[in-house]
Amino acid sequence: SYVLTQPPSVSVAPGKTASITCGGNNIGSKSVHWYQQRPGQAPVLVIYYDSDRPSGIPERFSGSNSGNTATLTISRVEAGDEADYYCQVWDSSSDQGVFGGGTKLTVL
Amino acid sequence: QVQLQESGPGLVKPSQTLSLTCTVSGGSISSDGYYWSWIRQHPGKGLEWIGYVYHIGTTYYNPSLKSRLTISVDTSKNKFSLKLSSVTAADTAVYYCTRTLGYCSSTSCYHEYWGQGTLVTVSS
Repeated sequence: SYVLTQPPSVSVAPGKTASITCGGNNIGSKSVHWYQQRPGQAPVLVIYYDSDRPSGIPERFSGSNSGNTATLTISRVEAGDEADYYCQVWDSSSDQGVFGGGTKLTVL
Repeated sequence: QVQLQESGPGLVKPSQTLSLTCTVSGGSISSDGYYWSWIRQHPGKGLEWIGYVYHIGTTYYNPSLKSRLTISVDTSKNKFSLKLSSVTAADTAVYYCTRTLGYCSSTSCYHEYWGQGTLVTVSS
């Protein structure tokens, strides 16, 4: 089955830019979606189809996808961005929905 | 605004069947283009897609759970349900229902709206 690999943790100072990666074999050929999960809460969609933002999600959140890596970028990081972030794809070859293992973003 | 709410027992005995229902409000479960999914999250762990149902009854099941799993939809009540049989402690998790948008099983799909989640503990 298809595997998505995320770094367990990323740390960033307030006001700086955080980049969270999601690695997978030829992931650039797939559509990647990203979710934010704050402690004790349900996940929230922050990016869909690689780089689209749902209404209500700040422009500080952006996404890209190419080759073997998709990236969620959060600019001008705020304390409220501290959360777990998950990438997700649909793997048509195995007909399976797949999540990455998640990345804990810590705001220093 | 679409809202989803999970309901069901918070405690299930080993070997029994876990049953959960998701009530959808603010939108029709029969609308074309939406799938209705179940996701679970083991304590302190990541997300696992359990499966989905389309309003006409089409289903997708995670291969690792397929033999124990039934997901169904009741369009008259705007609800969909999950049944997982022969549960063990490994099925202890927070279970989420979601509205899923896109073209699952062809290109891609994503979880647009989520319920708040319900913790189900498997224990005697």
